[in-house]
Amino acid sequence: KAGVTQTPRYLIKTRGQQVTLSCSPISGHRSVSWYQQTPGQGLQFLFEYFSETQRNKGNFPGRFSGRQFSNSRSEMNVSTLELGDSALYLCASSEAGPGVSQYFGPGTRLLVL
Amino acid sequence: DQQVKQNSPSLSVQEGRISILNCDYTNSMFDYFLWYKKYPAEGPTFLISISSIKDKNEDGRFTVFLNKSAKHLSLHIVPSQPGDSAVYFCAARKQGGSEKLVFGKGMKLTVNP
Repeated sequence: KAGVTQTPRYLIKTRGQQVTLSCSPISGHRSVSWYQQTPGQGLQFLFEYFSETQRNKGNFPGRFSGRQFSNSRSEMNVSTLELGDSALYLCASSEAGPGVSQYFGPGTRLLVL
Repeated sequence: DQQVKQNSPSLSVQEGRISILNCDYTNSMFDYFLWYKKYPAEGPTFLISISSIKDKNEDGRFTVFLNKSAKHLSLHIVPSQPGDSAVYFCAARKQGGSEKLVFGKGMKLTVNP
């Protein structure tokens, strides 16, 4: 079974731009969660989608948004990028929810200049 | 408010010795705890978990201890191996399969040959 894949793996943007990151979950997994990892804050939960519905949301501004498609693939979008958005963005999938048996992708490293 | 705390950012131990990684939490509603391991350029991988109804869970060289009254858990690795060198994240979840995971900031473990 293929693992969680994320594209692109690396991205460089400038302030004010927007970016879209993609995540393909493990086949059969309906839950997709997104996290931001920074050296100072560790792993912070962004949001979780289950069957195309946002089920949980973390404490991030509205510039961060996401969606999930009928095939469970998910995208997250960050608009009006700020320098502080530079981070590793991780996607994780699971069959039913983020609590257990959650498998992470390798992440997308975003650098905002 | 950091609900899951890993107060030591790093730990260095000799191969063959015990590694003890600590984690504290503040939310008494958490009932399930997990440890993840993360190598550079990879997503976190699930290591071991424990439910709040237990105080110990063991899996090979890895043992997690939970002290609910102190809101403290620890991960013991015995014996430590150089391949264990990674960043370890403690995570917690409230009851309910759809509840999000709350992660600590991580601790970098270095096992020296």
